[in-house]
Amino acid sequence: QVQLVESGGGLVKPGGSLRLSCAASGFTFSDYYMSWIRQAPGKGLEWVSYISSSSSYTNYADSVKGRFTISRDNAKNSLYLQMNSLRAEDTAVYYCARGQYYDRQAFDIWGQGTMVTVSS
Amino acid sequence: AIQLTQSPSSLSASVGDRVTITCRASQGISSALAWYQQKPGKAPKLLIYDASSLESGVPSRFSGSGSGTDFTLTISSLQPEDFATYYCQQFNNYPPLTFGGGTKVEIK
Repeated sequence: QVQLVESGGGLVKPGGSLRLSCAASGFTFSDYYMSWIRQAPGKGLEWVSYISSSSSYTNYADSVKGRFTISRDNAKNSLYLQMNSLRAEDTAVYYCARGQYYDRQAFDIWGQGTMVTVSS
Repeated sequence: AIQLTQSPSSLSASVGDRVTITCRASQGISSALAWYQQKPGKAPKLLIYDASSLESGVPSRFSGSGSGTDFTLTISSLQPEDFATYYCQQFNNYPPLTFGGGTKVEIK
């Protein structure tokens, strides 16, 4: 069964750090670009970052550039998001998602999401 | 960055109604557009990719059309399980990958 499962969310103070993980199963993880997408409470979807299948390429939304780092471990079928210097506006549900193909970044598989709350 | 504008932002409809949602891009994106359905507390689900290709397992009452800057998602006969929020997303020109603001479909 094709599946993505996120973990690592929680409550953190402004300026703090958190590392999210996403465990993939049921497909050849190393074949796919992966993304993190977030959704603030009651708001729409915002793409955060993506990483190519071999980790050669990464990109970030301007809102997180310089603070967040995406990475993956294909041997462990895992995707990560290191979040530093967190701000209140980073509060959101964070989803990991699979891009369909390297040149078609529509997201066909999503995790259930993990909640990140940044508050003092 | 390419902006996607969805309209309407919300609508009320009855079971059996034909529903159309539009998505306008700030510049041409060819057919590189996807549509998602999201129910409360759940992850989004891919419905349509490449503007008009139906994702496997998605009911045929969902259809997409358009290219360039103007796109539509149509539900031919609204079912109770279709009440949700719908988002468009472009993947022609990135980063950033961008989403529309969403359209909430509610029960009349």
